Amino acid sequence: AQSVAQPEDQVNVAEGNPLTVKCTYSVSGNPYLFWYVQYPNRGLQFLLKYITGDNLVKGSYGFEAEFNKSQTSFHLKKPSALVSDSALYFCAVRDPHTNAGKSTFGDGTTLTVKP
Amino acid sequence: DAMVIQNPRYQVTQFGKPVTLSCSQTLNHNVMYWYQQKSSQAPKLLFHYYDKDFNNEADTPDNFQSRRPNTSFCFLDIRSPGLGDAAMYLCATSRADGRGNQPQHFGDGTRLSIL
Repeated sequence: AQSVAQPEDQVNVAEGNPLTVKCTYSVSGNPYLFWYVQYPNRGLQFLLKYITGDNLVKGSYGFEAEFNKSQTSFHLKKPSALVSDSALYFCAVRDPHTNAGKSTFGDGTTLTVKP
Repeated sequence: DAMVIQNPRYQVTQFGKPVTLSCSQTLNHNVMYWYQQKSSQAPKLLFHYYDKDFNNEADTPDNFQSRRPNTSFCFLDIRSPGLGDAAMYLCATSRADGRGNQPQHFGDGTRLSIL
């Protein structure tokens, strides 16, 4: 079975400071990992994914994530936060042996960036 | 732009009165999903179609049904909505290429209210 945990319900950072949103996972074999962002009254938007290769993945809007196999983590990062980054962030893991691509989502982390 | 469109964005229905939510896509993706999301929680997968093959989640109530008449359209039918069914319903698509590493593309959801 696959699972993902986002240990922080909320993350608060000041604009211009670096941000990190944490995610840990559990899956048999090599995982497929995804980050999505959700703005109020909108659907989820894909930010980035890790499939294989370089452990540092770059995505949309200046976000990046680092895959750490030994710590089973896939933390989302951004060097300099913007107020417009304030949103709900979901980490998701997928069993690579499932062709249909069913993902398991974390419970989400609300990021608030203050001016 | 290719996208996933959900109609209506807001739906109000009466307790016990059947309701249908619609989703269309121009991405030509072979997999379509329906999720239920409550109060900024993780999206909960109700079912998905892999091409024409319907896959129901084990804990999806019988009250929820779905139809996919063609590649582009998918419907969520709630036969007798209860107060607990008030939620945001998200439709998503993905391209299943046998490797399961493609992200999901979400519509902006339909917010369902039950009177």
